[in-house]
Amino acid sequence: QSALTQPASVSGSPGQSITISCTGTSGDVGSDDYVSWYQQHPGKTPKLIIYNVNARPSGVSNRFSGFKSGTTASLTISGLQSEDEADYYCCSYAGVSYWVFGGGTKLTVL
Amino acid sequence: QMHLQESGPGLVRASETLSLTCTVSGYSISSAYYWAWIRQPPGKGLEWIGSFYLTSGNTYYTPSLKSRVTISVDTSKSQVSLQLSSMTASDTAVYFCARGSRVTPPFDNWGQGTLVTVSS
Repeated sequence: QSALTQPASVSGSPGQSITISCTGTSGDVGSDDYVSWYQQHPGKTPKLIIYNVNARPSGVSNRFSGFKSGTTASLTISGLQSEDEADYYCCSYAGVSYWVFGGGTKLTVL
Repeated sequence: QMHLQESGPGLVRASETLSLTCTVSGYSISSAYYWAWIRQPPGKGLEWIGSFYLTSGNTYYTPSLKSRVTISVDTSKSQVSLQLSSMTASDTAVYFCARGSRVTPPFDNWGQGTLVTVSS
């Protein structure tokens, strides 16, 4: 299993929207709808913000949305806020109860 | 309120076996779909290590670690354990335990993590 491919960094200004991509293969991202996204602030525990491609856990802002097409998933954050500055990781089911993470994307709010 | 707390040695010698414990409180450990361990080397990304499924007792491990890792659950102690043998410097990481959910997959509750450093 190889890690899913994410851009190393993205940036945006407050109020803008940004999108983070997550590219896998037909054996993981492209195989089903178990793609999730995690937000991790420095020194903190990862927090689940999107599951099953586009579902949000209770309490997560609707500024976070997910999408998938083929072997690429994406996370969009609209109305950027300073507190959104963090690392973001995608995660996908890879068959037979295996999971694989993306390499992570550092979001900078300018 | 569910709380997961990892514990274990912060420093392990190369070639030795790492043993970590995750104590679950505020939640019935048997109610989870599965329990997992995930690690994060300093300054790097997350890596799923493996999962233990409560109903079946089956375990699944990432291929690169499969020959060295064992995950188990002790419901009487409300603990999830990780053993990783033949430790090397590349195993230096923060180790997290996490609950696996069927409703909000894959890992919806995490411990704070524990840093394990491998010395040569």
